Amino acid sequence: AQSVTQLDSHVSVSEGTPVLLRCNYSSSYSPSLFWYVQHPNKGLQLLLKYTSAATLVKGINGFEAEFKKSETSFHLTKPSAHMSDAAEYFCVVSPKNFGNEKLTFGTGTRLTIIP
Amino acid sequence: DAGVTQSPTHLIKTRGQQVTLRCSPISGHKSVSWYQQVLGQGPQFIFQYYEKEERGRGNFPDRFSARQFPNYSSELNVNALLLGDSALYLCASSLGRVLAEQYFGPGTRLTVT
Repeated sequence: AQSVTQLDSHVSVSEGTPVLLRCNYSSSYSPSLFWYVQHPNKGLQLLLKYTSAATLVKGINGFEAEFKKSETSFHLTKPSAHMSDAAEYFCVVSPKNFGNEKLTFGTGTRLTIIP
Repeated sequence: DAGVTQSPTHLIKTRGQQVTLRCSPISGHKSVSWYQQVLGQGPQFIFQYYEKEERGRGNFPDRFSARQFPNYSSELNVNALLLGDSALYLCASSLGRVLAEQYFGPGTRLTVT
């Protein structure tokens, strides 16, 4: 069984300040972890993924996430928020060893950027 | 290159009716997955097809069915529609079964009245 918990349903930050979106995971197997972003009326876009290489993963648009097995966490960060970052963010887990592409999504975190 | 395309964009149906949603994967992608995203929630996995065979099924009733065609496009069918089936239906394609990046289409917004 696998699941993800996004600890905040809504995060607001001022433009230019750091962003932290929190995610904890649960998986019976060695997982792959992802962050996806969904802008209004647009499809889901992959930000970054962890598949057992480096624990610090860098993604697009300045985002990065750190896989911490001891804490079962995969938090998403960005040093400086931009207005274009306003969107819904999903933490996602997949059972890597099964070769199965079933993705399990969290409930999402809505990121609001204050001008 | 064209991304994943889905049709129709929006759809309104009445309870009890049947609906068919369509998805065309990125050229060269052989795997298609379907997800349901209810308003305010994350997407939930419905089906995965690879090389025209079902490779995975989520926790959805038998009213939901799908198939994949020789050109790797796919259809999702939902029978006996319920109000609770109102959602954004997302299609994603990828290169193959082994874990690979999935590319999502813009979705079909289904409203059941």
